[in-house]
Amino acid sequence: KAGVTQTPRYLIKTRGQQVTLSCSPISGHRSVSWYQQTPGQGLQFLFEYFSETQRNKGNFPGRFSGRQFSNSRSEMNVSTLELGDSALYLCASRSGVDGYTFGSGTRLTVV
Amino acid sequence: AQSVTQLGSHVSVSEGALVLLRCNYSSSVPPYLFWYVQYPNQGLQLLLKYTSAATLVKGINGFEAEFKKSETSFHLTKPSAHMSDAAEYFCAVSGSNNNDMRFGAGTRLTVKP
Repeated sequence: KAGVTQTPRYLIKTRGQQVTLSCSPISGHRSVSWYQQTPGQGLQFLFEYFSETQRNKGNFPGRFSGRQFSNSRSEMNVSTLELGDSALYLCASRSGVDGYTFGSGTRLTVV
Repeated sequence: AQSVTQLGSHVSVSEGALVLLRCNYSSSVPPYLFWYVQYPNQGLQLLLKYTSAATLVKGINGFEAEFKKSETSFHLTKPSAHMSDAAEYFCAVSGSNNNDMRFGAGTRLTVKP
């Protein structure tokens, strides 16, 4: 079956702009989580959605938001981009007690 | 709340040598523990997981890990390193409700010929 699909793979944005990243989970997976990965901070948990509801949220400012649709696809949005938002954004989906299956990520560069 | 600490941000071994990557966890509830591997510009791939069944867990690519509650450890081992094992490895923990998985800082494994 198809894995977790993240689009786009690469993105370059200017400071102050906003960006929307998309994640399509594995078919049947209802839980989707988002992580930010940077060399300095490592993997930081952003939020988790389950059945269209945000179930958990990490310690990020309100500029970072997300949502999940009825088909379990998820989007995350970052408004008023800052240089420090440059990172690899990873989406992961899971079912039950299994570990997460990760997508290949979206590499966001803010200039 | 759960957390993991990976001891050693860089580990270097010779090809054919034992690989040992260390992970200690902290959890207020029975933990689920995971090891992931990440190759450059890729997402994370699950190597193995502990979910309260057998304490010795075998994963893909010849890796295994042992859950030791008394030591709060979940170290990853492989008897003989291969060049293709060079990557970054992450230990992760979640509660038994499996919410909110938290990752360690990662250990970069280098394999010398």
